[in-house]
Amino acid sequence: GQQVMQIPQYQHVQEGEDFTTYCNSSTTLSNIQWYKQRPGGHPVFLIQLVKSGEVKKQKRLTFQFGEAKKNSSLHITATQTTDVGTYFCAGRGGGADGLTFGKGTHLIIQP
Amino acid sequence: AAGVIQSPRHLIKEKRETATLKCYPIPRHDTVYWYQQGPGQDPQFLISFYEKMQSDKGSIPDRFSAQQFSDYHSELNMSSLELGDSALYFCASSSAAGDEKLFFGSGTQLSVL
Repeated sequence: GQQVMQIPQYQHVQEGEDFTTYCNSSTTLSNIQWYKQRPGGHPVFLIQLVKSGEVKKQKRLTFQFGEAKKNSSLHITATQTTDVGTYFCAGRGGGADGLTFGKGTHLIIQP
Repeated sequence: AAGVIQSPRHLIKEKRETATLKCYPIPRHDTVYWYQQGPGQDPQFLISFYEKMQSDKGSIPDRFSAQQFSDYHSELNMSSLELGDSALYFCASSSAAGDEKLFFGSGTQLSVL
């Protein structure tokens, strides 16, 4: 079955430092989505990437989808304490409904 | 704006008991997904429904079943509960005509003692 690997599992940064999480799929994806889950909360949709090589920005967040549509990354510039949480990538293969989530990257920010 | 509603928020059961979790999707959303999330784990896809028919199946145990009703709400039925079933169960909904993003409910925390 489809597997989505995500690294790192944990990332400690000082407030103001940058942060990047990487996602790799064992199969080509039709699209990839990113979600953020705050401690004790539920996953909240951030963005969807569909096109090969696509890059999208949301303020300090930059999302990339690889040329082969098998990998993706999320980069946060100048982290803030509000960025704390777990960031999940989630991929959907051709013909499948259910998103396969990566293990997530837990972002811990030290003031 | 209306969100995905799940009930109950918390549920405590004994081993071998049964449990029913309910999910009310966002109005006009036609697809419902069920996910299981263990502590510190990623959400694991269980099953999904589109227009009241099962559309995809993930790692749902045979002891579990689910359905989507005519009003689009969904129920996850869990029987012969085991300790390992203790987890947070999320329901999510989406619109097939939309951009396929999932809207998650707040989840049901199931504890099996």
